[in-house]
Amino acid sequence: SQQGEEDPQALSIQEGENATMNCSYKTSINNLQWYRQNSGRGLVHLILIRSNEREKHSGRLRVTLDTSKKSSSLLITASRAADTASYFCATDAGTGANNLFFGTGTRLTVIP
Amino acid sequence: NAGVTQTPKFQVLKTGQSMTLQCAQDMNHEYMSWYRQDPGMGLRLIHYSVGAGITDQGEVPNGYNVSRSTTEDFPLRLLSAAPSQTSVYFCASRWTSGPSGANVLTFGAGSRLTVL
Repeated sequence: SQQGEEDPQALSIQEGENATMNCSYKTSINNLQWYRQNSGRGLVHLILIRSNEREKHSGRLRVTLDTSKKSSSLLITASRAADTASYFCATDAGTGANNLFFGTGTRLTVIP
Repeated sequence: NAGVTQTPKFQVLKTGQSMTLQCAQDMNHEYMSWYRQDPGMGLRLIHYSVGAGITDQGEVPNGYNVSRSTTEDFPLRLLSAAPSQTSVYFCASRWTSGPSGANVLTFGAGSRLTVL
């Protein structure tokens, strides 16, 4: 399987705290993406980091990538109740049809 | 712009029945795909298509058929449903992000299928 794994599986924090979730993957990649899924909804793209990048920011999101360890982390700063969702990493190996392979997800709960 | 539209949202089938999950996109995306989402398994790729008339298998294609006669539509067919196909199914289509053409997916809202 080309799936990655997220860690932790579930995370519960207080509003205002930072949330960090990690993703490990197995194959070489062209880029890695993070998606959010609200309960009962489809996935929504958050941020993309290419294999030659080490860190990327978008608003309250910070993503890092360590290709030598085949791992990435997503940091959400100053969390809000509306950030409650599941977060998935997805890898693009940059070969063939450039299919995305998703991790198992981290369930984040932000307590108001 | 409706994006990616999936129907039905919910469906209950009996073992052995057949059905088609519909997916349509209005963004003129060439690439479309189907994933299934199961607890603890994340999303797994079933089938994908890089354009009208072209389809290929993903990680878990057994028990599913697809066709792509138009750019807009990519239906997923279950010919003889089994309880193991109980899942939430997502259709997604792709645009490119940035000058090097990285691929970002737009997802439908999902179709929850229960096979008894």
